[in-house]
Amino acid sequence: AQSVTQLDSQVPVFEEAPVELRCNYSSSVSVYLFWYVQYPNQGLQLLLKYLSGSTLVKGINGFEAEFNKSQTSFHLRKPSVHISDTAEYFCAVSPGNSGNTPLVFGKGTRLSVIA
Amino acid sequence: KAGVTQTPRYLIKTRGQQVTLSCSPISGHRSVSWYQQTPGQGLQFLFEYFSETQRNKGNFPGRFSGRQFSNSRSEMNVSTLELGDSALYLCASSLNRADEQYFGPGTRLTVT
Repeated sequence: AQSVTQLDSQVPVFEEAPVELRCNYSSSVSVYLFWYVQYPNQGLQLLLKYLSGSTLVKGINGFEAEFNKSQTSFHLRKPSVHISDTAEYFCAVSPGNSGNTPLVFGKGTRLSVIA
Repeated sequence: KAGVTQTPRYLIKTRGQQVTLSCSPISGHRSVSWYQQTPGQGLQFLFEYFSETQRNKGNFPGRFSGRQFSNSRSEMNVSTLELGDSALYLCASSLNRADEQYFGPGTRLTVT
């Protein structure tokens, strides 16, 4: 069975500073990996995804993530955050194209950007 | 292409009542999943439907049920509401089961 661990429940960071949100997964098969963002009182929005190929994935709003198979990690990074990045971020994993189970989500990391 | 729509957006019910929430997926998407989100428990998987069949179910009591219609629209029902059922209920659709999910804005249910 797959699982996702988001190592930090809350991450405060000053505006224009870099940020890394950590995500580790466990799975016995090849996986697809996703990061979603949820702004207050809204649904989740896809930030980026890794399906195959280049391990560095670029997403919307200047975010990127790196897939590290040996460390089973998929950390999300942004070099300079803005106040508008304040939101909750969810990492998710699916079993690739074997497709018998839905996405498994982590518990989320609340990013607070401080002016 | 229209996104995932959920109705109603807000709902207030009394303990013991039942409620039905509706979700219309993105056109062409066949998989619909439902999640419950609360401050204490986070995002919890309720169930997944694909081609009108429930494929997976989360760890929720039988009071929570759902169905999917031939046009992929889905409904979930909660009977005998409890205060703890107050939550944001999110619906997500995907083209196929392991693809990225697209979320609706959610239905905020308040049970008093």
